[in-house]
Amino acid sequence: DAGVIQSPRHEVTEMGQEVTLRCKPISGHDYLFWYRQTMMRGLELLIYFNNNVPIDDSGMPEDRFSAKMPNASFSTLKIQPSEPRDSAVYFCASSPDPGYEKLFFGSGTQLSVL
Amino acid sequence: DQQVKQNSPSLSVQEGRISILNCDYTNSMFDYFLWYKKYPAEGPTFLISISSIKDKNEDGRFTVFLNKSAKHLSLHIVPSQPGDSAVYFCAASTTSGGSYIPTFGRGTSLIVHP
Repeated sequence: DAGVIQSPRHEVTEMGQEVTLRCKPISGHDYLFWYRQTMMRGLELLIYFNNNVPIDDSGMPEDRFSAKMPNASFSTLKIQPSEPRDSAVYFCASSPDPGYEKLFFGSGTQLSVL
Repeated sequence: DQQVKQNSPSLSVQEGRISILNCDYTNSMFDYFLWYKKYPAEGPTFLISISSIKDKNEDGRFTVFLNKSAKHLSLHIVPSQPGDSAVYFCAASTTSGGSYIPTFGRGTSLIVHP
């Protein structure tokens, strides 16, 4: 299996622009997670899905952030409009059901908002 | 408020010696604990876990110790190797409420010198 695939690996954009991050989970995994890594807060959970349905989005920082999972093999995290404080590494992870205490992470998207 | 705390941002160790990474937690409902390892430009990967019914779990060179009364766990790597140089994340979750979603610490960067 190719593992969790994220794109793009790097994204540089200007403040105010829309940013879309993409994720393909491991086939057969029912849970999908979006995390953000910063020096100050470490790995923060933004939102997670079970069988394509958003379960908990309490970690989404603001209304500028939105996430969708239109099917079992694809998810997006969108920031509109982006701000410099959104600069971070964004990770997507998936896990099977049951046993979702062990997550399988993608390589992440390094986002820089200038 | 950080529920999982890794108070040492970095640790430097000589090859062949023991590495000890520490983690404290504040939520007494946490009953399952994990360590993840992250290399640069890669996502975190699961390393080892421990349930609160145990106080020790060993996997090769890696041993995790849990002190429930002190709300403290530690990861021991013996002997340390240069390939162990990475960021180590401590994570904790609650299984009793049916939600296994782990809460992560900020990470500790381990450097093992040859």
